[in-house]
Amino acid sequence: GAVVSQHPSWVICKSGTSVKIECRSLDFQATTMFWYRQFPKQSLMLMATSNEGSKATYEQGVEKDKFLINHASLTLSTLTVTSAHPEDSSFYICSARRPGGKDNEQFFGPGTRLTVL
Amino acid sequence: DQQVKQNSPSLSVQEGRISILNCDYTNSMFDYFLWYKKYPAEGPTFLISISSIKDKNEDGRFTVFLNKSAKHLSLHIVPSQPGDSAVYFCAASAYGANSKLTFGKGITLSVRP
Repeated sequence: GAVVSQHPSWVICKSGTSVKIECRSLDFQATTMFWYRQFPKQSLMLMATSNEGSKATYEQGVEKDKFLINHASLTLSTLTVTSAHPEDSSFYICSARRPGGKDNEQFFGPGTRLTVL
Repeated sequence: DQQVKQNSPSLSVQEGRISILNCDYTNSMFDYFLWYKKYPAEGPTFLISISSIKDKNEDGRFTVFLNKSAKHLSLHIVPSQPGDSAVYFCAASAYGANSKLTFGKGITLSVRP
């Protein structure tokens, strides 16, 4: 299957700092990437849809000014958690949709564990 | 409001037996359903999917059944193996929804040797 990577795999930061998470599709070009957040024992919640070359589409309740998404190339999308607070601690997972694949087929990255102290 | 529900948080089965994982949904616009398997600290990996035009899809030891009238689907794993122990997520999407997936909370499957 297709490979999607995330970096870093885990990060610990102080409250008030900003953290950038990268999502890369390694062997295909992804015009669409998705960012999810998962709290313990909860489902993956879609935060936003990232489209290459255009603004991200955020789900209801997700603050676009707090979670900045940039999809500058066909293989890279970044999520920046600005002014992070302890309640932002979570597991952030990205996925990428491969062109030519099934409409609903998404390949997931390994996730990034964010801990805000 | 949970549109995809996995009401049982966990399931334990003996190796070699059948594992049946259930999923219910409320949104009648969903027409494509997927099962993902997830190990701790890893991203989900695709397992099997089914379109609403079918009621069964089989891939090796994995079979997914869809009952549209009941808005219910299930994943059958037979025979179950210890390596199947993981969290299984049911996900659904609607036609024209730009591939957006709605996930359930997941079921933790433990297969005892």
